[in-house]
Amino acid sequence: SQTIHQWPATLVQPVGSPLSLECTVEGTSNPNLYWYRQAAGRGLQLLFYSVGIGQISSEVPQNLSASRPQDRQFILSSKKLLLSDSGFYLCASSKGEETQYFGPGTRLLVL
Amino acid sequence: DQQVKQNSPSLSVQEGRISILNCDYTNSMFDYFLWYKKYPAEGPTFLISISSIKDKNEDGRFTVFLNKSAKHLSLHIVPSQPGDSAVYFCAASAPGSARQLTFGSGTQLTVLP
Repeated sequence: SQTIHQWPATLVQPVGSPLSLECTVEGTSNPNLYWYRQAAGRGLQLLFYSVGIGQISSEVPQNLSASRPQDRQFILSSKKLLLSDSGFYLCASSKGEETQYFGPGTRLLVL
Repeated sequence: DQQVKQNSPSLSVQEGRISILNCDYTNSMFDYFLWYKKYPAEGPTFLISISSIKDKNEDGRFTVFLNKSAKHLSLHIVPSQPGDSAVYFCAASAPGSARQLTFGSGTQLTVLP
């Protein structure tokens, strides 16, 4: 079965600083990978997804970007954080099936 | 435009009774539906799913019902336990290379002892 790792678990960053969140997957190869954000009291919003190395699709225009440098590594980045980037960021993985499995998440607070 | 809606932000149920969580969708292309359970500061945990070719799927205490004509699905938990207290999200996907999920806004279930 798939295991999804995310780090850091919690991050406090000042406005204007850069961001790098990492997600790695164990137990599968060539998965579809996803980044979601959950704002306080809201549902999960899909930010990016990737069906293979170097392939990134963006769902919403924003201050963030994603990269997939290796098969089981998915990175979420920003050059300059905004207050509105605060939230709970979740990485998910699926393997040629409809069910996505989620990592533990990263709580980001931008001050 | 919310394609997946959970109109009840919260639900309280007595332990041992049935919990029924509801979800509506508008996109007729959706053909796969899932329920996730989420605790604060943790990632969602997959609970149960259903394909549009079925109208019911059961797994232990959890049963999902799908009414395609009404574009409605529900999750039944019987009997409810205090450990079931969490936020429940329904999600839907349509055919495509990445099977992106569209989530509802969630329902906070509280099971009272």
